[in-house]
Amino acid sequence: GQQLNQSPQSMFIQEGEDVSMNCTSSSIFNTWLWYKQDPGEGPVLLIALYKAGELTSNGRLTAQFGITRKDSFLNISASIPSDVGIYFCAGGHTGNQFYFGTGTSLTVIP
Amino acid sequence: DTAVSQTPKYLVTQMGNDKSIKCEQNLGHDTMYWYKQDSKKFLKIMFSYNNKELIINETVPNRFSPKSPDKAHLNLHINSLELGDSAVYFCASSPSFLTSFHEQFFGPGTRLTVL
Repeated sequence: GQQLNQSPQSMFIQEGEDVSMNCTSSSIFNTWLWYKQDPGEGPVLLIALYKAGELTSNGRLTAQFGITRKDSFLNISASIPSDVGIYFCAGGHTGNQFYFGTGTSLTVIP
Repeated sequence: DTAVSQTPKYLVTQMGNDKSIKCEQNLGHDTMYWYKQDSKKFLKIMFSYNNKELIINETVPNRFSPKSPDKAHLNLHINSLELGDSAVYFCASSPSFLTSFHEQFFGPGTRLTVL
């Protein structure tokens, strides 16, 4: 099965800094999803994107559906310690399965 | 209220044994999934059911057999467990595979350790 490439693989940042990560695919998708996984828990949906070029925010998080439909981006502003976790992107099509990214591990240093 | 629940949370067993993991969702969703997350945290889909019908069956050993008694439940039975089956298994559900809304809601996971 396909695996989407996420970068960076891991990030170590100071509290208060902004974070950017991205996800790329070799295929075009009509939906992009962003998830966060805390240690010992299941992934939790953060943002869903359904249209090329769409920009959607959820609090300090902003995600974009790339205009090529082969990529997506997630930004976190003014990071706080509870942002620590693994962030996954997922892409897919209506009526077809979703593929998950390789994950970006975020560490926030107080 | 727990949206997607799995039991057990932890499962430790010997090689060669048969075990089952249960999943239930109370969201009224039509579609349910099983994922495997390995030690590198890669999430890989195994199976998906839509209204009790199997719609996705990735390349998974036939020792793994999903069963969906109704659309709120999707269980995973594993025969003849092997060391390589050790992983975290996640159940998930989404409103419907056939619509544009694919948000998947995940359970807390079952950590399987095969000794």
